[in-house]
Amino acid sequence: QVQLVESGGGVVQPGKSLILSCAASGFSFRSYAMHWVRQAPGKGLEWVAIISNDGRHKDYADSVKGRFSISRDNSKNTLDLQMNSLRVEDTAVYYCARPPAKYYGSDIYFEYWGQGNMVTVSS
Amino acid sequence: EIVLMQSPGTLSLSPGESATLSCRASQSVGSTYLAWYQQKPGQPPRLLTFGAYGRATGIPDRFSGSGSGTDFTLTISKLEPEDFAVYYCQQYARSPGTFGQGTKLEIK
Repeated sequence: QVQLVESGGGVVQPGKSLILSCAASGFSFRSYAMHWVRQAPGKGLEWVAIISNDGRHKDYADSVKGRFSISRDNSKNTLDLQMNSLRVEDTAVYYCARPPAKYYGSDIYFEYWGQGNMVTVSS
Repeated sequence: EIVLMQSPGTLSLSPGESATLSCRASQSVGSTYLAWYQQKPGQPPRLLTFGAYGRATGIPDRFSGSGSGTDFTLTISKLEPEDFAVYYCQQYARSPGTFGQGTKLEIK
């Protein structure tokens, strides 16, 4: 079965960096675009970033553009999110998510989600 | 980007009753580009319905999504104890896909 397992969260000071990882299994990872979606405490969901199946195409939410970088390693079935210049408002649970089809675009829904990883930005 | 407004914010019902959750979009998302998710505390969202009539794998037929244009509804018939959770709608007609702020379905 499809499994997505995030790691790497924690507490970090404003302005610092953190990297999140997502280990995928149970499906052909190299065939799917992958996404990060976040949820601030007690709030709704916000799409963060997408990477194409081959890693050549990427896109970001305006709120993180220029600070976050998404990447993947298809040989290891892993997805990463490098987060730089972190702000208090980046505090959230970060989910890696897979769409239902082999489609590149942020105009898609999500069939599979990881358990989530908490990132807290605080001084 | 398209803004989704969900109502009510909280809905208090008893097991066995039916629930009607609303999602209104700031512009048309057609009839097929709206999904609904269920989220319980400490868990990721779970896909319930998508498109005009789609239901995710393993989702009971008590859950049904409907609507078109800017007004959409998730109906849950004969509420079970495990149905009490937060529900989110998501539009995927335009990039980026956006989510509503959620409706909390609580036991009365």
